[in-house]
Amino acid sequence: AQKITQTQPGMFVQEKEAVTLDCTYDTSDPSYGLFWYKQPSSGEMIFLIYQGSYDQQNATEGRYSLNFQKARKSANLVISASQLGDSAMYFCAMRDIRGNYQLIWGAGTKLIIKP
Amino acid sequence: NAGVTQTPKFRILKIGQSMTLQCAQDMNHNYMYWYRQDPGMGLKLIYYSVGAGITDKGEVPNGYNVSRSTTEDFPLRLELAAPSQTSVYFCASSYSSGTGEADTQYFGPGTRLTVL
Repeated sequence: AQKITQTQPGMFVQEKEAVTLDCTYDTSDPSYGLFWYKQPSSGEMIFLIYQGSYDQQNATEGRYSLNFQKARKSANLVISASQLGDSAMYFCAMRDIRGNYQLIWGAGTKLIIKP
Repeated sequence: NAGVTQTPKFRILKIGQSMTLQCAQDMNHNYMYWYRQDPGMGLKLIYYSVGAGITDKGEVPNGYNVSRSTTEDFPLRLELAAPSQTSVYFCASSYSSGTGEADTQYFGPGTRLTVL
């Protein structure tokens, strides 16, 4: 069965430092997609970055990058030069492209940026 | 371009009451989804739809019903509300081209429902 594991329930990081949020996944399908979403205290779910299982390069979107290690089944989110506005819950999710297209979600990591 | 909209933002129900959560998207997405998020947890899929007239159950469908008569709208119906349905409900949509690429789901702002 597919599963997403986020082992860090909470993290404190000093402003301007880089931060890595861990995500490991488990699937037997060769074709899948990995997503990261941000949920600030206001509650909305904001898409950050996507990595396909066949993508050769690690995905990047501005200050966000995804450290994709396929053999280790990990898809860690890296935020460079953290800002106070990065304080939020961060969710890793996986989608089985050949299945019923639902997203499987991790439990999330609460990131707090300290000034 | 409003994206995904949901109404209401907040609602308090009494046990046994019914209500419909509204969801609409203006991005011409073919796929739509309903999730619930319990406190401190990730999201769980309730129902999804791959197009008008086609719906299917997700992980936690009991106590809910959906319909999809148009591409834009995907209402979620709660019948006989129970305290266990207290949660935040998110509607999402995506466009799937059917080529095997994983499409990104875009979310509405959520509806916070309390059942007392």
